[in-house]
Amino acid sequence: DVKVTQSSRYLVKRTGEKVFLECVQDMDHENMFWYRQDPGLGLRLIYFSYDVKMKEKGDIPEGYSVSREKKERFSLILESASTNQTSMYLCASSLDRENTEAFFGQGTRLTVV
Amino acid sequence: GQNIDQPTEMTATEGAIVQINCTYQTSGFNGLFWYQQHAGEAPTFLSYNVLDGLEEKGRFSSFLSRSKGYSYLLLKELQMKDSASYLCAVRSPISGGYNKLIFGAGTRLAVHP
Repeated sequence: DVKVTQSSRYLVKRTGEKVFLECVQDMDHENMFWYRQDPGLGLRLIYFSYDVKMKEKGDIPEGYSVSREKKERFSLILESASTNQTSMYLCASSLDRENTEAFFGQGTRLTVV
Repeated sequence: GQNIDQPTEMTATEGAIVQINCTYQTSGFNGLFWYQQHAGEAPTFLSYNVLDGLEEKGRFSSFLSRSKGYSYLLLKELQMKDSASYLCAVRSPISGGYNKLIFGAGTRLAVHP
């Protein structure tokens, strides 16, 4: 079974802090994604990556950046956390460009105070 | 623009049948996914339709009409454990031959005895 692991289930950070959310997948998937999930809005794509050191902006990239130095790891960075970034963050991976069935991590509930 | 609509909430009785509808308007279409998400857990894959018609998998079936921009998820012989959110997602082409998933806001289904 594919396993997508997010480093934290719950995080509380202060406004202005730099925040790192880590995601690791163990199935040699090429594609990795970061979403945030908010009530009434569903999952919205922040950034994605189709290869090591490659990144593409999703629909809501403002205030975020990402890093993919190794194939199995995709990090989401909040350069200066703000209260409107309080949300559930979900990482996902999929095999390659032909197969976009996404496998999700358990999610990180981030609260910015 | 990109728009995926599904009802916010539904309720149903244990043992009954429920149909969750999804309509979409996207700039491109390469398939439609349904995911199940229990509260506090990761979304998990249920079904994938790329051609018109019905796909059956045990108690769950999914239907697609590309000309109408419409899909539904049919759940039969409902069980209490089916209480969850159901997410409709369209696979939409982007540059470079890649695809991304665009999610609806999800339908929260409550099954009662």
